[in-house]
Amino acid sequence: AQRVTQPEKLLSVFKGAPVELKCNYSYSGSPELFWYVQYSRQRLQLLLRHISRESIKGFTADLNKGETSFHLKKPFAQEEDSAMYYCALYTGNQFYFGTGTSLTVIP
Amino acid sequence: EPEVTQTPSHQVTQMGQEVILRCVPISNHLYFYWYRQILGQKVEFLVSFYNNEISEKSEIFDDQFSVERPDGSNFTLKIRSTKLEDSAMYFCASREGAPQYFGPGTRLTVT
Repeated sequence: AQRVTQPEKLLSVFKGAPVELKCNYSYSGSPELFWYVQYSRQRLQLLLRHISRESIKGFTADLNKGETSFHLKKPFAQEEDSAMYYCALYTGNQFYFGTGTSLTVIP
Repeated sequence: EPEVTQTPSHQVTQMGQEVILRCVPISNHLYFYWYRQILGQKVEFLVSFYNNEISEKSEIFDDQFSVERPDGSNFTLKIRSTKLEDSAMYFCASREGAPQYFGPGTRLTVT
């Protein structure tokens, strides 16, 4: 069963517009959720983890257990945000990655 | 800050040849992973490794693939007889608890 769903394969926004990348998960226990970012031809880098509740590069993500979601948001997109974004679920035993959303910020 | 490293950065091989991709995980990590990314596509899980054995593998990880931790620092992925469709970026990752940390990848080109 798909444990992490990222419904948008591609997302385009204009520079300065708000952006939201959706992530839903399926897990009955206490999840740990992460967002990873992959810039062109580079390694996946950890962007956010829900436990730390921090803002990195202007991005935030809130875990909503009722909706089983962990959407990634940024109020004003920048061109350098163009990248592939992966949502990941950690169950305490295994990691599960979503299929990724490719974000393009149009100048 | 410690990082996962991978060698080589690019490997070109002929179809049918064996290749070994090498990874040096972060030193105190105990869980190791290999992922594959075909150009322009998503990152796909191949295998996870813990306590000197495979803990989980995907359907991609068939008999042509094997993993090994030959010493205290390296973690290798071997493809016995490469096919054209094995051309991809291969990422190694490691972790202690969470999160996973990824290496820079090895680009494998099979001709």
